[in-house]
Amino acid sequence: QVQLVQSGSEVKKTGSSVKVSCKASGGTFSTYGVSWVRQAPGEGLEWMGGIIPIFGTADYAQKFQGRVTMTADESTSTAYMELSSLRSEDTAVYYCARAALTYNYDTSGHSYNWFDPWGQGTLVAVSS
Amino acid sequence: QSVLTQPPSASGTPGQRVTISCSGSSTNIGSNTVNWYQQLPGTAPKLLIYSNNQRPSGVPDRFSGSKSGTSASLAISGLHSEDEADYYCAGWDDSLNGYVFGTGTKVTVL
Repeated sequence: QVQLVQSGSEVKKTGSSVKVSCKASGGTFSTYGVSWVRQAPGEGLEWMGGIIPIFGTADYAQKFQGRVTMTADESTSTAYMELSSLRSEDTAVYYCARAALTYNYDTSGHSYNWFDPWGQGTLVAVSS
Repeated sequence: QSVLTQPPSASGTPGQRVTISCSGSSTNIGSNTVNWYQQLPGTAPKLLIYSNNQRPSGVPDRFSGSKSGTSASLAISGLHSEDEADYYCAGWDDSLNGYVFGTGTKVTVL
């Protein structure tokens, strides 16, 4: 049974970047995607984007376009999320999750379906 | 703000049935499947229901999901104290070309 283990908490200065890792333990990402979701203190869940490791294809939520980069290393079953130009509003717990995918063969497109399992979360605190 | 709307709170006594609604539109719930996540205090979210009404292995059958048109519902029958958590509906939105979460519902067991 695959488990996702994330890197530890980070404290960052405004304007800097953070890179969070997510390693699949007890298995691989296989044909699944990996999604990244964040949760600001006391707030709800927000999808940032995802990556399909076997293709290296990343999809980003419009809000984070230009500021986020998602990558994956299949050889180590590890996915990464890097967020740049950090501001105080980026203070949040960042989660990775294995994502089931739906493919549209008519359009050659894909979408993310359900997320299971989730990593334990990584707290990123941003201050000046 | 989220495109999927849920009531902020719901409550019930042990053994009661609680229902949580999730209202969307034709571009999300109306054309894609709905998933539900449970987030216990201080923990990561957990998949509770997928593809509208399917339970992952290990999820008690007191949890059930349904979908009709542009709305979905999660029902908890026979409420347990350990069901006290935040619940989120979620799914793909074709217009946003992204995954969206509901606003979340906090369930309290009285």
